[in-house]
Amino acid sequence: AQTVTQSQPEMSVQEAETVTLSCTYDTSESNYYLFWYKQPPSRQMILVIRQEAYKQQNATENRFSVNFQKAAKSFSLKISDSQLGDTAMYFCAFMKLLFTSGTYKYIFGTGTRLKVLA
Amino acid sequence: KAGVTQTPRYLIKTRGQQVTLSCSPISGHRSVSWYQQTPGQGLQFLFEYFSETQRNKGNFPGRFSGRQFSNSRSEMNVSTLELGDSALYLCASSSVSNTEAFFGQGTRLTVV
Repeated sequence: AQTVTQSQPEMSVQEAETVTLSCTYDTSESNYYLFWYKQPPSRQMILVIRQEAYKQQNATENRFSVNFQKAAKSFSLKISDSQLGDTAMYFCAFMKLLFTSGTYKYIFGTGTRLKVLA
Repeated sequence: KAGVTQTPRYLIKTRGQQVTLSCSPISGHRSVSWYQQTPGQGLQFLFEYFSETQRNKGNFPGRFSGRQFSNSRSEMNVSTLELGDSALYLCASSSVSNTEAFFGQGTRLTVV
């Protein structure tokens, strides 16, 4: 069974600085997707960034980038130039397509609470 | 385009009662998934529906059930509520062509 581990329950960073959130996962699959979702205090989960396992190039979305190490099963999120609005809970998620049923199955980590300090 | 809508936002129930939560997916999305979120446990997958059929189920007791209607709206039911069922219940919808899950704001259920 797949598992996703986020070993940092809480982190803080000064505004404008860079922070890296860690995520490791365990799977025997070769084709899958990895995601980082953000959950601000409003509770709305929002997709931050997505990585396809078959792509070697690390995904980037503006100030957000990932370091995807497939062999090490590591998927960290780097937030550059942190802003107060980045304060939220961040969840790492593993997803695979179940070909027998055509459904997606997400497995989430326990989350990292990030606080950006003014 | 309207997002995923969950109702109600907050709910307080007594132990032993049952509860029904509702989720309206994004228009055109046929897949609806439900998750239970509790502190320290992250999001635990409950079940997923597609075209009115349950395609995938998590490891929850039979007290947790759901259904999906022809318009893709979904409901989740929890019977014989226990204190441990207190949680944020999130619904997510997705389309066939996109791997991204779009989440609602959740229903905060408190069992007293």
